[in-house]
Amino acid sequence: ELVLTQSPATLSLSPGETATLSCRASQSASNYLAWYQQKPGQTPRLLIYDASKRATGIPARFSGSGSETDFTLTISSLEPEDSAVYYCQQRSRTFGQGTKLEIK
Amino acid sequence: EVQLVESGGGLVQPGESLRLSCAASGFGFSAYSMIWVRQAPGKGLEWLSYIGASTRSPTIYYADSVKGRFTISRDNAKNSTYLHVTSLRAEDTAVYYCARPFWSGTDYWGQGTLVTVSS
Repeated sequence: ELVLTQSPATLSLSPGETATLSCRASQSASNYLAWYQQKPGQTPRLLIYDASKRATGIPARFSGSGSETDFTLTISSLEPEDSAVYYCQQRSRTFGQGTKLEIK
Repeated sequence: EVQLVESGGGLVQPGESLRLSCAASGFGFSAYSMIWVRQAPGKGLEWLSYIGASTRSPTIYYADSVKGRFTISRDNAKNSTYLHVTSLRAEDTAVYYCARPFWSGTDYWGQGTLVTVSS
């Protein structure tokens, strides 16, 4: 079973900075990788699918890249409302363990 | 408007079983695969199972952690998917979500149904 490992576990940044979140697959995931944002008490919100395609309504500040085993979610010009846990998911199945992003 | 509504959760004792239901509306349910995901209190998301769109013999996958204890099914006539969960343990306590796959991701989620396993 494919395993996704996210790093770092926690990231603390200031407004206006750029966040770089990593997701590494234990075997090739091709480009079948999605990213989500989850805030407390809410269901996950799809940000990126197929590694680099933004979902409907997602600001251009959110971008995805990578293929095979190494993927990155980049969030530029951080805003306070970006504080959340971010998950990667492979092919609508396995999730990574999440990265908690705190905006100071 | 796409809606997914889960039901069937509750408080059960260890070893018991439950059938969770997910009623879909607002889209052509029979043409879509569906998944179940759970989230234990304060923990991350855990994918449980996938069922393809076909009625006759849909493709089905399970996470290793639940294989043999959980069974996914669907009834396209009722626009519903189900998750039968058996031999429940304390560590199965979680909110259980159904969700609709979209390319490599998942675009719509229900609000979840809470399953609590405790004696």
